[in-house]
Amino acid sequence: EPEVTQTPSHQVTQMGQEVILRCVPISNHLYFYWYRQILGQKVEFLVSFYNNEISEKSEIFDDQFSVERPDGSNFTLKIRSTKLEDSAMYFCASSGAGPEDGRWEQYFGPGTRLTVT
Amino acid sequence: AQSVAQPEDQVNVAEGNPLTVKCTYSVSGNPYLFWYVQYPNRGLQFLLKYITGDNLVKGSYGFEAEFNKSQTSFHLKKPSALVSDSALYFCAVRQLKAAGNKLTFGGGTRVLVKP
Repeated sequence: EPEVTQTPSHQVTQMGQEVILRCVPISNHLYFYWYRQILGQKVEFLVSFYNNEISEKSEIFDDQFSVERPDGSNFTLKIRSTKLEDSAMYFCASSGAGPEDGRWEQYFGPGTRLTVT
Repeated sequence: AQSVAQPEDQVNVAEGNPLTVKCTYSVSGNPYLFWYVQYPNRGLQFLLKYITGDNLVKGSYGFEAEFNKSQTSFHLKKPSALVSDSALYFCAVRQLKAAGNKLTFGGGTRVLVKP
């Protein structure tokens, strides 16, 4: 069964450093997403991406964050200058597309645990 | 704005007994509703969804959920729980006709099934 994969599984970085989290969505999916979960809190939406542009972003997704689909398979989340409060589990997800796109369930990767020290 | 509430942090049930995990939602207009399950060190796995049609939807691993529009609820159920159902369960909602397919999640309910 196709899966969303994410690398690395755990990333430790110092405050102020740039990090790039990588995801390989399911191959025939066209919508891509990033969510995060701070320890003990809800899963929060960050951004959705379709047709090579951002479809929607949350207030969390400020200028420090960016997403990119550099090739036909990868989808990345970059945090330019990490803060302590960016420590969280980051989940990538993907879904199919077509008429009434919201009907399609999103498939999640296993997550990248980001620890900012 | 859309929101989801899962009123129970944890549900304990004996193996073989029925399992119910509660979820209520708030959204403008009609919702798309989803249940996901998370096992330790794994991502969220899709269980089932309500889009339209029958209020009772069936999903993976013997789970089902009942959509109740008047009570704005979408409770997850399983007639006979297994120890392997012990996990963290998340309810999520998406507003129809909203750009971006953003899912809003509840806080999660930990299910513990005891042998």
